[in-house]
Amino acid sequence: DVKVTQSSRYLVKRTGEKVFLECVQDMDHENMFWYRQDPGLGLRLIYFSYDVKMKEKGDIPEGYSVSREKKERFSLILESASTNQTSMYLCASRRGQRYQPQHFGDGTRLSIL
Amino acid sequence: AQSVTQLGSHVSVSEGALVLLRCNYSSSVPPYLFWYVQYPNQGLQLLLKYTSAATLVKGINGFEAEFKKSETSFHLTKPSAHMRDAAEYFCAVSDTGGSQGNLIFGKGTKLSVKP
Repeated sequence: DVKVTQSSRYLVKRTGEKVFLECVQDMDHENMFWYRQDPGLGLRLIYFSYDVKMKEKGDIPEGYSVSREKKERFSLILESASTNQTSMYLCASRRGQRYQPQHFGDGTRLSIL
Repeated sequence: AQSVTQLGSHVSVSEGALVLLRCNYSSSVPPYLFWYVQYPNQGLQLLLKYTSAATLVKGINGFEAEFKKSETSFHLTKPSAHMRDAAEYFCAVSDTGGSQGNLIFGKGTKLSVKP
């Protein structure tokens, strides 16, 4: 079974802090994704990566950056956290082509005070 | 561009009743379609996927979905609801416009099951 592990289930940070969300997958998947999930809005793609050191912007990249130095790890960075970034963040990975399913971690519920 | 519409943000059924969650998609090419389930405070779990083989797709936990090209639909059904089916369900289509086939999700349908 694919295992996608997000480093924290719950996180509380202050406005202006730099925040790191970590995601690790154990199945050697090429593709990794970061989403945020808000009530009534569903899942929105922030960034994705299709290879080490490669990244592409999703639908809502503003205020975020990402890092993928190793194939198994994909980090989401909030450069200067703001209250409107309070949300549930979900990481996913996928092997190969687009007909393959994405596999999700359990999510990080992030609160910015 | 692809899109997904889930009709009904909340659906309530009685235990033992039929579950029907509706999903319509738009796509200019044959789509790859997915249903995911999310239990409270958890990530998304794949229920089933359609990848242009059989139009009736069987998934986990007794769920199935039928791909109907003429109706651009991929509705999720289960003959008899259990209390443990209470969760949020997301339909998704694989994006053909981007370079890597990202998923485009519907806004979700929250299923409640009454005893």
